Amino acid sequence: DQQVKQNSPSLSVQEGRISILNCDYTNSMFDYFLWYKKYPAEGPTFLISISSIKDKNEDGRFTVFLNKSAKHLSLHIVPSQPGDSAVYFCAASQARGGGADGLTFGKGTHLIIQP
Amino acid sequence: DTGVSQNPRHKITKRGQNVTFRCDPISEHNRLYWYRQTLGQGPEFLTYFQNEAQLEKSRLLSDRFSAERPKGSFSTLEIQRTEQGDSAMYLCASSPLAGLDGEQFFGPGTRLTVL
Repeated sequence: DQQVKQNSPSLSVQEGRISILNCDYTNSMFDYFLWYKKYPAEGPTFLISISSIKDKNEDGRFTVFLNKSAKHLSLHIVPSQPGDSAVYFCAASQARGGGADGLTFGKGTHLIIQP
Repeated sequence: DTGVSQNPRHKITKRGQNVTFRCDPISEHNRLYWYRQTLGQGPEFLTYFQNEAQLEKSRLLSDRFSAERPKGSFSTLEIQRTEQGDSAMYLCASSPLAGLDGEQFFGPGTRLTVL
């Protein structure tokens, strides 16, 4: 029973355009949401997070939007750059930092930025 | 400022053997997590330490899996009587008790192959 779902296994975007990665969740107890980026042979790297009291958080080229009523969040990357090509994981937790429940991850979306 | 380190990076073993992995978290981090990642999936939470106390271990996959964090510093994850289904990437993450964004910092992982 997947509590965090990323329904697009891959996404191809042209360099300079906007990349939009989507994530849905089913557990209404989740209060914190995070996006991680992963290159091959490396561990996931934190990108950006948002708590359930907000609907938007921005950090440079990365913006995360949260729609609590729809249990949906999205990551926008603009403009997309070749170095953004990686697997992106959406993660959620009931407590800040994960706590005793850890983070619950989706299956990931492989973003490919085409020149 | 060193990140989370894990050793070994790769481990190949025969079915039935015991294996032990080590994780050295970021030095001031109180929280330590172990995850398992299989092909095409996101990381799956296994266990959680706060300092030396293991506060969550019910998510360890079977009684063949055990983890320790003596003295609240490095941690080890042991798998006894390995099976082919244990082949996966084992990730360690750490975080401070009061992280600003709630993010966990991941190590590069140990890739286990059980023949």
